[in-house]
Amino acid sequence: EAGVAQSPRYKIIEKRQSVAFWCNPISGHATLYWYQQILGQGPKLLIQFQNNGVVDDSQLPKDRFSAERLKGVDSTLKIQPAKLEDSAVYLCASSLWGSGGARDTQYFGPGTRLTVL
Amino acid sequence: EDQVTQSPEALRLQEGESSSLNCSYTVSGLRGLFWYRQDPGKGPEFLFTLYSAGEEKEKERLKATLTKKESFLHITAPKPEDSATYLCAVQDSGGYQKVTFGIGTKLQVIP
Repeated sequence: EAGVAQSPRYKIIEKRQSVAFWCNPISGHATLYWYQQILGQGPKLLIQFQNNGVVDDSQLPKDRFSAERLKGVDSTLKIQPAKLEDSAVYLCASSLWGSGGARDTQYFGPGTRLTVL
Repeated sequence: EDQVTQSPEALRLQEGESSSLNCSYTVSGLRGLFWYRQDPGKGPEFLFTLYSAGEEKEKERLKATLTKKESFLHITAPKPEDSATYLCAVQDSGGYQKVTFGIGTKLQVIP
């Protein structure tokens, strides 16, 4: 079974530039998550999708971050304009979702390491 | 607000020296507690899910246990390949079923 795919793996940009990350979840997984992991910290949830719809985006800085999940499969996360403090690893995860148990287990991609100069 | 506190932040063990990692949590209603392993430059890798106090799960040299306030990840006779950061996360039973992660314990096992 193929895992969660993310691209690019690394990105270096200047502050105030824009950047986009792509995620392809495990086939059949209805729920998709984007996390931000700053060096030395645990992952912090940015946004959670259930199929096409947003379930939770309470920690997404909406003035500069946006995300979409078209057709309930792939997703993109965009930052515009980037700030120095956005330097982090951006992780995508997916799960089956639903009635609990193993369906709630999140499977993570390798992440995109963003450096903002 | 859900909170997860992991201790110690870093742990250095000799090969074969057993120890435990702690995860203390505060959540209004626990849907599940997760343990993940994260290697440098990689995404977290799922290890265990625990759902209720008293539950235990094992995998090779790892054993996870759960009480109403904390979880332990016991490592028996660790090997150098067990070196990684171990992350604990809780999922609440509210409408969003939000997952909150701790900062992790960085484990180094020395040959």
